[in-house]
Amino acid sequence: GENVEQHPSTLSVQEGDSAVIKCTYSDSASNYFPWYKQELGKRPQLIIDIRSNVGEKKDQRIAVTLNKTAKHFSLHITETQPEDSAVYFCAARKIKTSYDKVIFGPGTSLSVIP
Amino acid sequence: EAEVAQSPRYKITEKSQAVAFWCDPISGHATLYWYRQILGQGPELLVQFQDESVVDDSQLPKDRFSAERLKGVDSTLKIQPAELGDSAMYLCASSSPGQALYEQYFGPGTRLTVT
Repeated sequence: GENVEQHPSTLSVQEGDSAVIKCTYSDSASNYFPWYKQELGKRPQLIIDIRSNVGEKKDQRIAVTLNKTAKHFSLHITETQPEDSAVYFCAARKIKTSYDKVIFGPGTSLSVIP
Repeated sequence: EAEVAQSPRYKITEKSQAVAFWCDPISGHATLYWYRQILGQGPELLVQFQDESVVDDSQLPKDRFSAERLKGVDSTLKIQPAELGDSAMYLCASSSPGQALYEQYFGPGTRLTVT
């Protein structure tokens, strides 16, 4: 069946370093790829997203890249800060006029060490 | 800022009992999702509504789970009977097809513990 893989499952970086999380998806018809940050006990919050007609998107310290041919996309966080520590989820969605299917990855637990 | 509301926030129940969760999406959002999130895993879609119609319930354990959204606004997810393996966070989310970004807005979740 359709699935989304995410690596690594845990990531520990020193404050100020960069963090990269990678996801691969199986359904080539997926056309929207959001990333969520979830702090312990809280709801997932959208931090950045990218559509299938875009290769890269950046928002301050966060960027996402998409390779449709290889069916993978990545989250890049630069100049990490302790408050970036959380679980990050990628998702692949197939959105059409009357159809919307979303699959989440298993998550990456990011720890930023001060 | 409008938010998705869920209640209760926490629920402890014994196995074989019935439990129900309620979700009120952001006003005007036609699409409503119920997810189950087991600790350490990503959200898993249980059921998706478009207005009052179910558009995807392929992962819903229909022998014990049911969901409804009678008037196309708020929704109820029910488990009967609850099993130990149902312990998880149940998240509700909503989105509006009219929004260009199709962003899903999540509620705070209901944490269910089955003893």
